[in-house]
Amino acid sequence: EAQVTQNPRYLITVTGKKLTVTCSQNMNHEYMSWYRQDPGLGLRQIYYSMNVEVTDKGDVPEGYKVSRKEKRNFPLILESPSPNQTSLYFCASSFNAQPNTEAFFGQGTRLTVV
Amino acid sequence: EDQVTQSPEALRLQEGESSSLNCSYTVSGLRGLFWYRQDPGKGPEFLFTLYSAGEEKEKERLKATLTKKESFLHITAPKPEDSATYLCAVSATNKLIFGTGTLLAVQP
Repeated sequence: EAQVTQNPRYLITVTGKKLTVTCSQNMNHEYMSWYRQDPGLGLRQIYYSMNVEVTDKGDVPEGYKVSRKEKRNFPLILESPSPNQTSLYFCASSFNAQPNTEAFFGQGTRLTVV
Repeated sequence: EDQVTQSPEALRLQEGESSSLNCSYTVSGLRGLFWYRQDPGKGPEFLFTLYSAGEEKEKERLKATLTKKESFLHITAPKPEDSATYLCAVSATNKLIFGTGTLLAVQP
């Protein structure tokens, strides 16, 4: 089954404790990205990757890191989480290096930083 | 600045009462306009892609249209299972830019 898999689905952590949210896709897609979704603000792009070893900042990259060492994986790293990073996070992938085809989204990761 | 605005923020319909959702956009070099459906606690699910003004696409009770400045998602004779948040997004310069969505509630 074609899918984007995120883990974990739910995470509660404390301020400053490094964490990684994993994302994997099995569709051989070129483009992958991370979004955060907050009430009233919609989906905002954090980082994106057009191919292996190619990553770039989205609209809200502060406090986040990513890597794209393999085509299928695109982990999101929070080196020192803060409460303002409490949010619902989505990973997505799409076929083209440019995001002009449909994006497939993961199930989401609900992160709470206390 | 690239921007996507959706209206209304929320819409309540009776079953069978047709209506339209609006997505207006300003973007340099539109590469595609997308409609997604999102159910509570889940990731957005793709509905349509539109690439050029005048284009229309249909799926069951939904029909999406596109002009140079806006897109409409028409819902004909909605059912309670159509209740969800509908998101509009535009593709421009390597990024997808989303609107804040329209929360649709269809009452039986």
